[in-house]
Amino acid sequence: DGGITQSPKYLFRKEGQNVTLSCEQNLNHDAMYWYRQDPGQGLRLIYYSQIVNDFQKGDIAEGYSVSREKKESFPLTVTSAQKNPTAFYLCASSMTAGPGAEQFFGPGTRLTVL
Amino acid sequence: SQKIEQNSEALNIQEGKTATLTCNYTNYSPAYLQWYRQDPGRGPVFLLLIRENEKEKRKERLKVTFDTTLKQSLFHITASQPADSATYLCARPTDTGGFKTIFGAGTRLFVKA
Repeated sequence: DGGITQSPKYLFRKEGQNVTLSCEQNLNHDAMYWYRQDPGQGLRLIYYSQIVNDFQKGDIAEGYSVSREKKESFPLTVTSAQKNPTAFYLCASSMTAGPGAEQFFGPGTRLTVL
Repeated sequence: SQKIEQNSEALNIQEGKTATLTCNYTNYSPAYLQWYRQDPGRGPVFLLLIRENEKEKRKERLKVTFDTTLKQSLFHITASQPADSATYLCARPTDTGGFKTIFGAGTRLFVKA
């Protein structure tokens, strides 16, 4: 089955720790995205990548980092510099990064800072 | 800056009725709008895209309209079913290029049997 997976589903972090969220897709999509979702708010773009070995900051990149070494993988690291990291994190991919491209979302990772 | 506004209040309707959800946008009209469905604790799923030159688009029981004068899109589900209960998100491209998408906060729909 083709799709996009995220792991873990739930993640607990102590303050001051860095954590890495995994995102893998086998759809052969060029573009990948990371969003953050907070209650009552729309999805906010953290980082996106149009192609392997290239990525750009989204609207709320501070305190986050990414890499895109392989087409199918786009891991997100939440660093200790992120002041309010508790949220639902969604990874998505699209065939291209062009206008109107349908985005396929993973199941999400819920991160809680203890 | 451009915004997407959706009714934050949940919509409760009876099974079999038509549900109508509203999406309002600011600034210039986007080239297209997208609608996604999101179930609790899961990622959104793409439903429909409507372009600015299309006044209406249909897919099975779903119908979307795009009114550039009102700066509004309406999303209709006819003959609604309890399985249609979910949050529906409206999305548009940013005005700085087509690579970024702005999502609304969504409207929660409850369909009662």
